[in-house]
Amino acid sequence: GQQVMQIPQYQHVQEGEDFTTYCNSSTTLSNIQWYKQRPGGHPVFLIQLVKSGEVKKQKRLTFQFGEAKKNSSLHITATQTTDVGTYFCAGSGSNDYKLSFGAGTTVTVRA
Amino acid sequence: EAQVTQNPRYLITVTGKKLTVTCSQNMNHEYMSWYRQDPGLGLRQIYYSMNVEVTDKGDVPEGYKVSRKEKRNFPLILESPSPNQTSLYFCASSLVPVEWVYEQYFGPGTRLTVT
Repeated sequence: GQQVMQIPQYQHVQEGEDFTTYCNSSTTLSNIQWYKQRPGGHPVFLIQLVKSGEVKKQKRLTFQFGEAKKNSSLHITATQTTDVGTYFCAGSGSNDYKLSFGAGTTVTVRA
Repeated sequence: EAQVTQNPRYLITVTGKKLTVTCSQNMNHEYMSWYRQDPGLGLRQIYYSMNVEVTDKGDVPEGYKVSRKEKRNFPLILESPSPNQTSLYFCASSLVPVEWVYEQYFGPGTRLTVT
């Protein structure tokens, strides 16, 4: 099955700055999902990308799926304290009903 | 309210004492799954189920059992727990995959400690 890697593991951001977290798969994915987990909470679905080169935006969050469908990124602009948490990417292969998660990027924000 | 529930939320047990963590969803989802979360490793899938009586191994199934006798319930069984199964466990559900796995709805988690 696919292996999904995420970098960086930690991201310390000044409030108001932008940052990007990256997700790379060892194999081609059918789709990529992104989740956010607040400290002490459970993962909550943010978005799903399925098309090669797809870009989706949610307010200050921009998600991108690579042309080869092996990588993805999440870019957050003007970081706020509400962005604190761990962001996970997850993907599954074609006709593969396992879901593989990256190790996550834990974001802390300096006010 | 649409939700996934897990019980217990916290459990401390001893090596070798069989335990079951229950999971139930009220969204009529066909697909259910168990994950364990460990620091630095993210979420790793233990088992998943496409429907009643249909289960399959995820990436880390060793030491775990599951059953799916009803659509809404998907219990996780540790027949003989060991300290390396100390972890945070999440149950999740979604619509049944067609071409890919759909968005997962997660339960609140069960923190298990095996001494």
